[in-house]
Amino acid sequence: QKEVEQNSGPLSVPEGAIASLNCTYSDRGSQSFFWYRQYSGKSPELIMFIYSNGDKEDGRFTAQLNKASQYVSLLIRDSQPSDSATYLCAVFIYSSASKIIFGSGTRLSIRP
Amino acid sequence: EPEVTQTPSHQVTQMGQEVILRCVPISNHLYFYWYRQILGQKVEFLVSFYNNEISEKSEIFDDQFSVERPDGSNFTLKIRSTKLEDSAMYFCASSEGGTGIEKLFFGSGTQLSVL
Repeated sequence: QKEVEQNSGPLSVPEGAIASLNCTYSDRGSQSFFWYRQYSGKSPELIMFIYSNGDKEDGRFTAQLNKASQYVSLLIRDSQPSDSATYLCAVFIYSSASKIIFGSGTRLSIRP
Repeated sequence: EPEVTQTPSHQVTQMGQEVILRCVPISNHLYFYWYRQILGQKVEFLVSFYNNEISEKSEIFDDQFSVERPDGSNFTLKIRSTKLEDSAMYFCASSEGGTGIEKLFFGSGTQLSVL
């Protein structure tokens, strides 16, 4: 069973709309969850992190966590063409000493 | 803003040769990591390092791989005898702690090409 799963996309969203990205994880002991943005050929860049159930907002980004459903999502409001990238969901695996595991990423394309 | 730096940005080597990838983590960080990303694939965990020893390693991190912190600032990944399938982008990362609530910061990566 894959530890972190994401829909690979591509997800195409019109400029100005809300982009919704989803992620599920298999380890119930996972404590913390991260969303990274990765442009082609570049390194992952942290954009959001969440530890507690519920919503966490930062500017145009909202992370949502539901530990009972083992589900984490990222909403991007007022999507811009510069948001076009691959979004990586990452999970800290509690059962290991220190390891963050990444999903395969969702490609997001914002169309003008 | 402090950042993780990696050198070289590109490395081309012949199959069977040894390579050393270098990283300077953020200065007050205590946990260090290597990840790799084969073109078009996911970011894969290789190894984590704390207090001068390996904390965790993946099944990818076999005997041909090793890590070292030779001084107070550098963190290196050595591949002893490179294979074609080692061609990938290698990312170094660091965090202040290892409890899972600390953020992981990545370097810009070293693109390794094995010919």
